[in-house]
Amino acid sequence: EAGVAQSPRYKIIEKRQSVAFWCNPISGHATLYWYQQILGQGPKLLIQFQNNGVVDDSQLPKDRFSAERLKGVDSTLKIQPAKLEDSAVYLCASGRGLAGGRADTQYFGPGTRLTVL
Amino acid sequence: AQSVTQLDSHVSVSEGTPVLLRCNYSSSYSPSLFWYVQHPNKGLQLLLKYTSAATLVKGINGFEAEFKKSETSFHLTKPSAHMSDAAEYFCVVSVSTSGGSYIPTFGRGTSLIVHP
Repeated sequence: EAGVAQSPRYKIIEKRQSVAFWCNPISGHATLYWYQQILGQGPKLLIQFQNNGVVDDSQLPKDRFSAERLKGVDSTLKIQPAKLEDSAVYLCASGRGLAGGRADTQYFGPGTRLTVL
Repeated sequence: AQSVTQLDSHVSVSEGTPVLLRCNYSSSYSPSLFWYVQHPNKGLQLLLKYTSAATLVKGINGFEAEFKKSETSFHLTKPSAHMSDAAEYFCVVSVSTSGGSYIPTFGRGTSLIVHP
């Protein structure tokens, strides 16, 4: 089966600009995750979708970050305006979403490396 | 609040010697626990997971982990390290939400260095 697709792979922007990332999960996967991974740290969950509903977005900086998952398939994550501290790799993952996600194996995309100058 | 602690930021071993990567969790219920591996310039991949069945879990590439409730630990081991095991390893715990769903929380990661 095809894996999780993300684009773009790399993005360089200046602070205060906006940027958007796209993720296409594995076909049939109900759960979709967006993570922020700063260099040297573990991934931090930004938002988790179950189909097209939000399960958790408690760590999403909602004043500048937004995410949507239309029709319960692919998803976009937007940052507007970007700050220097947003420089990171943004990872998308998907899972089958069984048992409320308790035992969900996550399948990760290659990530988008964002540099904010 | 549930959380996960990886006790070592770096672990250095020689090829052919045993590997031990330590992970402790805090949880008010019986959790699901995972180990993921991230090789340089590659995506994160599941190594193994514990979901309340057998406490000794076997994963890919010869890795295994044992769930010890009394010690709140889920340490990752391998009898003999290979050069290809050099990577970043993450311990993950599933955390329950008020809505009955579960969200993953990652540890900070342990970098495994393998010397020839």
